[in-house]
Order: sequence, then C-alpha cells, then structure tokens
Amino acid sequence: GAGVSQTPSNKVTEKGKYVELRCDPISGHTALYWYRQSLGQGPEFLIYFQGTGAADDSGLPNDRFFAVRPEGSVSTLKIQRTERGDSAVYLCASSAGLLGTDTQYFGPGTRLTVL
Amino acid sequence: DQQVKQNSPSLSVQEGRISILNCDYTNSMFDYFLWYKKYPAEGPTFLISISSIKDKNEDGRFTVFLNKSAKHLSLHIVPSQPGDSAVYFCAASELNDYKLSFGAGTTVTVRA
Repeated sequence: GAGVSQTPSNKVTEKGKYVELRCDPISGHTALYWYRQSLGQGPEFLIYFQGTGAADDSGLPNDRFFAVRPEGSVSTLKIQRTERGDSAVYLCASSAGLLGTDTQYFGPGTRLTVL
Repeated sequence: DQQVKQNSPSLSVQEGRISILNCDYTNSMFDYFLWYKKYPAEGPTFLISISSIKDKNEDGRFTVFLNKSAKHLSLHIVPSQPGDSAVYFCAASELNDYKLSFGAGTTVTVRA
C-alpha cells in the first residue's frame, strides 16, 4: 500500500509569510506525528495526533506553529510569520496508534526554505 | 537539551567488515530504543528496536545491544554492504509515550 506522502516536497517563501505543509498518512493509521529536522541534526518532535485531537503538542516551538487534523486522516502544519530559523525539513510520520511502540513510518519530508 | 547523543558523525568501513554505531542517552526514563536508516531525499525508515527488558536484539545482519547501566546502545551491521551506506539515527521513547527523541545521526560509508 501507499506510504506516508507529504506535499509540497519543497517550499521556498519569504520571511514573514504564511505557509501550510500537508501530510497524508498511511490509511488506517490513527496516530500522526510532525517532526522537524534542521541541518546536521536528527528529527525533533513537534506534535502528535491521536485521531483528530492533538495528544501532545509540547514540541511546537512557539505560537506561530499550529497543526490540525480535522477528519483524523490528512494533517496540515501551519506556520505564521515565517522566520529564517524555520528553514528545515519537516517530516511527518504515522503509526497504527495502538501502542507507544508501534513503528512510526515517515514520509519524505517537505524542505522549507525561508529567505 | 540533547537527550540522545551520537558522538561519531561519520563512519567509513570496508565492504564485508563490521560496522559499529554507538549511541548514548541521558534520560533514565527511556524504555524503548530504535535505529532508523535514512537515504538522501527520503524519510527515515525503521531498522530495528529493543525494549529495556532485553540487552540484545538481532534481525539478520543487524544486531542492537543495550547497556542500561551505562545508558548506551550500539548497532552492529555484519557484514557491511554498499547498500548500507546511509545516515543512521538512534532514537528513544519513554514508557507509554509516543514521541521519539533522536540523535544527530551517523553517516556510514561502505567502501567496495
């Protein structure tokens, strides 16, 4: 079956603009995660959804970042008033969501560049 | 603060030999440990995992060792193959927690 997909694959924007990043998880997966990977670092947790609700948003760096998953499937990560420091690869993952040890399957990521 | 550390940014090994990747962690609440592999322009893919009740887990050419008292784990790849050339991330999570904490990664290059 299809894996996790993310669109766009690349996004270039100007400082101060608003961006939306989309994640389409594996069908039937109830858990969905967003991570951010900066250059030379490992993925850093941002937020985790169980179904439609954000179960843990402790990784969101500030209130410019927001994510939704209105129907429990596709999720959108929204970044307002982008800053150059937001430039990174944004990774989405999904898992069956039954256990914390369920394997997380990652998408290819969206590379965000803020000029 | 970096709770998972991979102190070797890169590793070069000859084809057929053993690759040993190391990972240290500081959070004593971590209960579950994983290794992910990443090729350029792709997302990380799950490789192997180990829970804190075990000290070794093996899957084909890949073996993960866990030393809880030292807060250290390692990944052994034997024998190394050219297709193993990738970035390897160590990750960990606390009991009943879904989010993963990752190390910075080790780039493995397998020489023919």
